[in-house]
Amino acid sequence: QKEVEQDPGPLSVPEGAIVSLNCTYSNSAFQYFMWYRQYSRKGPELLMYTYSSGNKEDGRFTAQVDKSSKYISLFIRDSQPSDSATYLCAMNMPGAGGTSYGKLTFGQGTILTVHP
Amino acid sequence: EPEVTQTPSHQVTQMGQEVILRCVPISNHLYFYWYRQILGQKVEFLVSFYNNEISEKSEIFDDQFSVERPDGSNFTLKIRSTKLEDSAMYFCASGGPLHFGNGTRLTVT
Repeated sequence: QKEVEQDPGPLSVPEGAIVSLNCTYSNSAFQYFMWYRQYSRKGPELLMYTYSSGNKEDGRFTAQVDKSSKYISLFIRDSQPSDSATYLCAMNMPGAGGTSYGKLTFGQGTILTVHP
Repeated sequence: EPEVTQTPSHQVTQMGQEVILRCVPISNHLYFYWYRQILGQKVEFLVSFYNNEISEKSEIFDDQFSVERPDGSNFTLKIRSTKLEDSAMYFCASGGPLHFGNGTRLTVT
């Protein structure tokens, strides 16, 4: 079983739609969960960062974590064509060292297209 | 907003040659990382670096790879003798949560 699984899509939605992106993971040691957006030929851009189970909202984006089910989601409300990108989930299991916070395990990425 | 910068954006090299990929992390960050993304595959952790030494490395980061912080601003990844399978995007990152650069596309021919 892969450590982090993410449906690669592609996902195509009309402008204004609510988008739901999901990842499942197998390792209960994962503690911090992130969503990154990656435009073509660019680096991953941090969108959301969360630790606890529950919801975290930032503008049109809501990150949801369910540690009991090992399942995380990103919701995008009122999606825009500029949201068209690959969305990556990432997570880590910090240990004793500070750099372990940055040792991320990524999902495959979901390709999202929002058409006008 | 401060950002991680990487140079060059694209590097083409012949198999067996040495390459050095360069990064300038965000200035007040203390933790530095290299990641790799082979076309169509996941972003993968290579190495973490703190206080002028490697903190952790993955199985990918073998003896052909090395990292260095030669001065107060630059952070480099060296591949000593490139192989075809080293062709990938290489991302530098700093901080925690991580901020990534736009990557160097390495093509080994």
